[in-house]
Amino acid sequence: EVQLVESGGGLVQPGGSRRLSCAASGFTFSSYEMNWVRQAPGKGLEWVSYIGGSGSLMYYADSVKGRFTISRDNAKSSLYLQMNSLRAEDAAVYYCARADTRYFDYWGQGTLVTVSS
Amino acid sequence: QVVLTQSPSASASLGASVKLTCTLSSGHSSYAIAWHQQQPEKGPRYLMKVNSDGSHNKGDGIPDRFSGSSSGAERYLTISSLQSEDEADYYCQTWGTGIRVFGGGTKLTVL
Repeated sequence: EVQLVESGGGLVQPGGSRRLSCAASGFTFSSYEMNWVRQAPGKGLEWVSYIGGSGSLMYYADSVKGRFTISRDNAKSSLYLQMNSLRAEDAAVYYCARADTRYFDYWGQGTLVTVSS
Repeated sequence: QVVLTQSPSASASLGASVKLTCTLSSGHSSYAIAWHQQQPEKGPRYLMKVNSDGSHNKGDGIPDRFSGSSSGAERYLTISSLQSEDEADYYCQTWGTGIRVFGGGTKLTVL
């Protein structure tokens, strides 16, 4: 059974940093693209970042480019999102999602990031 | 870049059918899309991928009541025999060069 479990959310001050993790199981992690998607309170889904299976190709939404860094450890079947210079508008539930050739097919349950002083 | 357009809301009666639409922007009518369901206070769940020819590939455990189809730049999700648990937000998703894209979502109310 495919499982994606996010962790690392919490309260962070504006300008602060936070690292999110996603533990994957039930599939060959290195064979799949992975993504981070967020959802601000009462809003729709917003794609944040992508990483290819080998970890050598990454993409970012313009809203986070230069502040967020996606990475993965295939040996640990884990996905990460390092978030720096956090702003109020980054507050959201962050989901990790597996993609099968560009189309998301499994989601985690999400982890909440609150940005407030 | 590709843009996906969805109606903000839809409604249908318990036991009836409803057809939700996701429209691809000009020049992208050959793209497939994926449909995702998000029930209240839950994470999203993958429903199916719908190709330009109307064929679709459903996710694990998705009931037969859910089906997909296509016409031109439009991709559809049809839910038949509506149940109360189908009341949810429905998002379509595709890709562009260096990006992944979501539609704005359709909030389905089951009356």
